[in-house]
Amino acid sequence: QQQVKQSPQSLIVQKGGISIINCAYENTAFDYFPWYQQFPGKGPALLIAIRPDVSEKKEGRFTISFNKSAKQFSLHIMDSQPGDSATYFCAASITNSGYALNFGKGTSLLVTP
Amino acid sequence: NAGVTQTPKFQVLKTGQSMTLQCAQDMNHNSMYWYRQDPGMGLRLIYYSASEGTTDKGEVPNGYNVSRLNKREFSLRLESAAPSQTSVYFCASSPRGWNEQFFGPGTRLTVL
Repeated sequence: QQQVKQSPQSLIVQKGGISIINCAYENTAFDYFPWYQQFPGKGPALLIAIRPDVSEKKEGRFTISFNKSAKQFSLHIMDSQPGDSATYFCAASITNSGYALNFGKGTSLLVTP
Repeated sequence: NAGVTQTPKFQVLKTGQSMTLQCAQDMNHNSMYWYRQDPGMGLRLIYYSASEGTTDKGEVPNGYNVSRLNKREFSLRLESAAPSQTSVYFCASSPRGWNEQFFGPGTRLTVL
């Protein structure tokens, strides 16, 4: 079963707009929640990550919002740019349990000029 | 510093053939992972090796075997390839005690 559910499957945003991707999980043992960015023909690369002891983390134009009680987290991309067009994956893992990542199914983001 | 390298980049097999996907990392990482990526499915863990000398099954291990040859290398073997194993395979590694994983460029495998 998919342990991390991600939506939407695809997203089209105009340049300068805000892109929002949502994820939900069930396993309360998860304690690390990263977002990976993947360009066509490349491997995923870590974009930003959060632990459940904070509700928000910001790095440049990218922000993770985390709601522990709702078991949800989301990625916000402010001032979206055409270069942000990629597939984004949320994931979750349990520290000290092999650190294996459980990925969402991915969101294909297209930022139009 | 090449990071995580994977060979081959592309491979076409016939049903029943065998092959080994190679992965190596030069970052002195302890843990290594194999994932497969299928359209609309995200990445699913096949096997992982938390440290040299250990391997464990992931979510989708059936039809695969792995070998952690040394600290640098982690190979994935398909003994008898099936069309359902057509996928893009990614190897990843992470340092001891770190959650972040560093991914290779992938191997695109087609089984006819």
